Amino acid sequence: AQSVTQLGSHVSVSEGALVLLRCNYSSSVPPYLFWYVQYPNQGLQLLLKYTSAATLVKGINGFEAEFKKSETSFHLTKPSAHMSDAAEYFCAVSSTSGTYKYIFGTGTRLKVLA
Amino acid sequence: NAGVTQTPKFQVLKTGQSMTLQCAQDMNHEYMSWYRQDPGMGLRLIHYSVGAGITDQGEVPNGYNVSRSTTEDFPLRLLSAAPSQTSVYFCASSRQGPGNEQFFGPGTRLTVL
Repeated sequence: AQSVTQLGSHVSVSEGALVLLRCNYSSSVPPYLFWYVQYPNQGLQLLLKYTSAATLVKGINGFEAEFKKSETSFHLTKPSAHMSDAAEYFCAVSSTSGTYKYIFGTGTRLKVLA
Repeated sequence: NAGVTQTPKFQVLKTGQSMTLQCAQDMNHEYMSWYRQDPGMGLRLIHYSVGAGITDQGEVPNGYNVSRSTTEDFPLRLLSAAPSQTSVYFCASSRQGPGNEQFFGPGTRLTVL
């Protein structure tokens, strides 16, 4: 069965510092991987996705993630945090066949300190 | 396009009451799903549908029913509400097939007393 694990339910960074949010997946075959962001009292929005093309994926708002098969990881990074990045971030996995159901991680709440 | 819409935004129920959460999308997406979001547990899939007339269970289906009579609508029914169903509910839709983005509604915050 597929699953994702997000390390750290809360992460705090200073404005201008590097953002690193961790996601590890479990799958018997390379899956599709996603990062979504949820701002307060809103639904989720797609940040970026990996679908077996380039291993370094660039998303919106300056975020990027690198797929590392050897480490079964898909960590999300941003070189310089902005106050507007404060939100909850979810990693998700989807199978590449069948019904393509999503499985979400438990989320990481990012706090940006002035 | 309105995208994915959900009604109501907020609802308070008493234990044992029934209700239907509405979800509609205007993007002609085949795939629709319902999730519940609870603190520390992320989003958990309740039910999903790959097209009109086709539904299936997700991780946490007990206590919920769904039907999909049209491509646009995917209502979620709580037959006899329980306090354990207090949660935020999200509906999402996407095109069928691997690697497609899911579009989420704004959510329904449900409290069961």
